Amino acid sequence: DIQMTQSPSSVSASVGDRVTITCRASQSIRSWSAWYQQKPGKAPKLLIYATSSLLSGVPSRFSGSGSGTEFTLTINSLQPEDFATYYCQQANSFPHTFGQGTKVEIK
Amino acid sequence: EVQLLESGGGLVQPGESLRVSCAASGFTFSNYAMTWVRQAPGKGLEWVSVISGGGGSTHYADSVKGRFTISRDDSKNTLYLQMNNLRAEDTAVYYCAKAVFHWNDGVVDPWGQGTLVTVSS
Repeated sequence: DIQMTQSPSSVSASVGDRVTITCRASQSIRSWSAWYQQKPGKAPKLLIYATSSLLSGVPSRFSGSGSGTEFTLTINSLQPEDFATYYCQQANSFPHTFGQGTKVEIK
Repeated sequence: EVQLLESGGGLVQPGESLRVSCAASGFTFSNYAMTWVRQAPGKGLEWVSVISGGGGSTHYADSVKGRFTISRDDSKNTLYLQMNNLRAEDTAVYYCAKAVFHWNDGVVDPWGQGTLVTVSS
């Protein structure tokens, strides 16, 4: 199975900051990474698929990059509604494993 | 609007069985792969199982293989997860989610609100 290792596990940031979260796959997943946002008590929501494609309706301050085994989610100009937990996922081969999550907290 | 509504969760004892369901609406259900993902209390997301559109192909996480069975009834627009020989470590909120694309089963959105399964004596 492909392991997805996210870092950091948590980050403290202020409104307006840029936040970068990294996900490393244990083997190549080509461009098949996705990123989800989850707020407390709520179901996750898809933000980015195929490494860098934004789902319709997702604010442009979210962006994704990478290929092969290293992938990045960047949030530019962090907004109050962005404080949440973020998960990467590989959709290249079964099982479609998730990273362990990164909690973005208010500094 | 796509809607997914899980049901069937509850408290069961170790070794018992439970079936959770996911009622779908707002899209042509038979055309899309469907996935179950679970989340233990205070923990991260764990991918559980997927079934292709039409039900011809299924895949499972190693942690549930041989104990869980995913199925679908396209005439009822409903997804199921039959869980047998449940263990304490299966305690989680179980989410169903719809594949976004026909050409990739893994990218999923939206998700249902989840149903809590608790395995405890």
